[in-house]
Amino acid sequence: DAKTTQPPSMDCAEGRAANLPCNHSTISGNEYVYWYRQIHSQGPQYIIHGLKNNETNEMASLIITEDRKSSTLILPHATLRDTAVYYCIVRVTGNQFYFGTGTSLTVIP
Amino acid sequence: AAGVIQSPRHLIKEKRETATLKCYPIPRHDTVYWYQQGPGQDPQFLISFYEKMQSDKGSIPDRFSAQQFSDYHSELNMSSLELGDSALYFCASSLGLAVLYEQYFGPGTRLTVT
Repeated sequence: DAKTTQPPSMDCAEGRAANLPCNHSTISGNEYVYWYRQIHSQGPQYIIHGLKNNETNEMASLIITEDRKSSTLILPHATLRDTAVYYCIVRVTGNQFYFGTGTSLTVIP
Repeated sequence: AAGVIQSPRHLIKEKRETATLKCYPIPRHDTVYWYQQGPGQDPQFLISFYEKMQSDKGSIPDRFSAQQFSDYHSELNMSSLELGDSALYFCASSLGLAVLYEQYFGPGTRLTVT
């Protein structure tokens, strides 16, 4: 699986959009970009995934650049409950995820 | 909606003892994954099963073994426990192995080895 690079930490004001970047410059054409988050020692929670098109669901939006070398997860209206570690993962096989170090997002009141 | 169930949620064992962790996937999910998360670390993939057959192996120690049963639940067996095995153990399940199927994680089992 391609390696991902994320900033170790970010802050976001409550009610504002949180934009979490991820670099995956070595991504291959058949690798999906997945985003998960983990709220203090709970099981990682699936957020969204995509291949090349932008995706949106009830939780977030995923913007993938045209060259697919980077992506951004957008939480449109961050709440205190969105404070968590966010993992960007690129995945070529179905078997396993390599989580990397993630971004610790703190939503500030 | 039904989620992944793991039992027990907490387990305390002594060094050199054995432990068995259980995972019940979401109904209709045929693929199970096991992860280990040490203190302050990121989840590390251990092993996965698809349709009751081992599909991939990660950083699972030889002292650990796992299997998936006919009802798709899975068990992780850990022997000769060491202090370093103290960790959160997560199970995840998915509809299949295809890369477009997301994995859903259980709440984890916290294992403490004393």
